[in-house]
Amino acid sequence: NAGVTQTPKFQVLKTGQSMTLQCAQDMNHEYMSWYRQDPGMGLRLIHYSVGAGITDQGEVPNGYNVSRSTTEDFPLRLLSAAPSQTSVYFCASSQRDRGLLNTEAFFGQGTRLTVV
Amino acid sequence: KQEVTQIPAALSVPEGENLVLNCSFTDSAIYNLQWFRQDPGKGLTSLLLIQSSQREQTSGRLNASLDKSSGRSTLYIAASQPGDSATYLCAVVGSNYQLIWGAGTKLIIKP
Repeated sequence: NAGVTQTPKFQVLKTGQSMTLQCAQDMNHEYMSWYRQDPGMGLRLIHYSVGAGITDQGEVPNGYNVSRSTTEDFPLRLLSAAPSQTSVYFCASSQRDRGLLNTEAFFGQGTRLTVV
Repeated sequence: KQEVTQIPAALSVPEGENLVLNCSFTDSAIYNLQWFRQDPGKGLTSLLLIQSSQREQTSGRLNASLDKSSGRSTLYIAASQPGDSATYLCAVVGSNYQLIWGAGTKLIIKP
């Protein structure tokens, strides 16, 4: 009963490096999303996907890429890391009800990323 | 643009007290409102989901209410316990079909 699995839990990058944050869910959920959480702010949506092969931008997409080749996996790629991308990143999944997020959302444990 | 506010940012109460956490939103055109709990170093756990047509939802010692017209929701925790210590976040699903989040209330229950 894994739910949503994120790796790694911690990561330190140098400015300009690239990396991929992994996210996998085993609940056959259509909807997956990536958020970043910064101190004193609410979670902000980076990218989301409503199914395999379909992705879209959220509120803060710049500097990040995503793909959704399978229902289970939704990796987030940082193209060229910047100190402003220091944050905690969460992956989430849920089913959609009539196109809405009307069902419980499940979250991974987060990735704490520091860019120096 | 929808904005979600949670006040206070932090709250400390003695064990056993009943307490209320507040969430307000600027656009009343929402589909639902959700309350989550976040423990340090961990992900978020969904607590309650209130549909726009509902006024409240209950789960154990938790009761969430929704007043769309005033743009407010409250999370009531009865007989608080130290294990309730966590950050509580609310989020609304509005016309863009995405979750819009408050910054959370950090709750500390003192034994």
